[in-house]
Amino acid sequence: QVQLQESGPGLVKPSETLSLTCTVSGASISSSYWSWIRQPPGKGLEWLGYIHYSGSSDYNPSLKSRVTLSVDTSKSQFSLKLTSVTAADTAVYYCARHLRSGSSSDFDYWGQGILVTVSS
Amino acid sequence: EIVLTQSPGTLSLSPGERGTLSCRASENVRSSFLAWYQQKPGQAPRLLIYGASSRATGIPDRFSGSGSGRDFTLSISRPEPEDFAVYFCQQYGNSPLTFGGGTKVEIK
Repeated sequence: QVQLQESGPGLVKPSETLSLTCTVSGASISSSYWSWIRQPPGKGLEWLGYIHYSGSSDYNPSLKSRVTLSVDTSKSQFSLKLTSVTAADTAVYYCARHLRSGSSSDFDYWGQGILVTVSS
Repeated sequence: EIVLTQSPGTLSLSPGERGTLSCRASENVRSSFLAWYQQKPGQAPRLLIYGASSRATGIPDRFSGSGSGRDFTLSISRPEPEDFAVYFCQQYGNSPLTFGGGTKVEIK
């Protein structure tokens, strides 16, 4: 079955860059669109952006200047970089697969999530 | 961006008592592109409903969704113990994709 697994540092210092990778198994990364979503502790969900293997992407305007997504089809991975982090970026970060073809979608498969804490 | 407001913040139900959750959008959601998710502590959200009223694969029929335009509802008939969780709505008709703040369904 389809599985997604986030990986990366669990602790990032303020002003540095948060880098996470999502590894996809059980499905071709070229067959879907993929997103990153985050959830601060005890709070709601925020969509960060999506990436397609073709290079097509879009970002949440609230974070657009700080977010970059990329995809590596040879490794079946896609990645998130978030620059100039502050404590407000502390959250559980999820990667997820779009249910439908296209940028606007709901999400049928999610990773387990990775908690990233921003602290010195 | 479309802001989704969920109510109530907390819903207390007895097992077997029907519950109704509301999701109101700040503007019309295009083509009823509205989804509902269930989230349990320490877990990722699970897709329950898409297209406002279609159940996702494997979701029991005690979950049902309805609505259009700005107003959407998730109903849970005869909730089982495993249904006590937090529920989020999400719109995917417009970018940026947005989520509601969530409704916690707890045991009365």
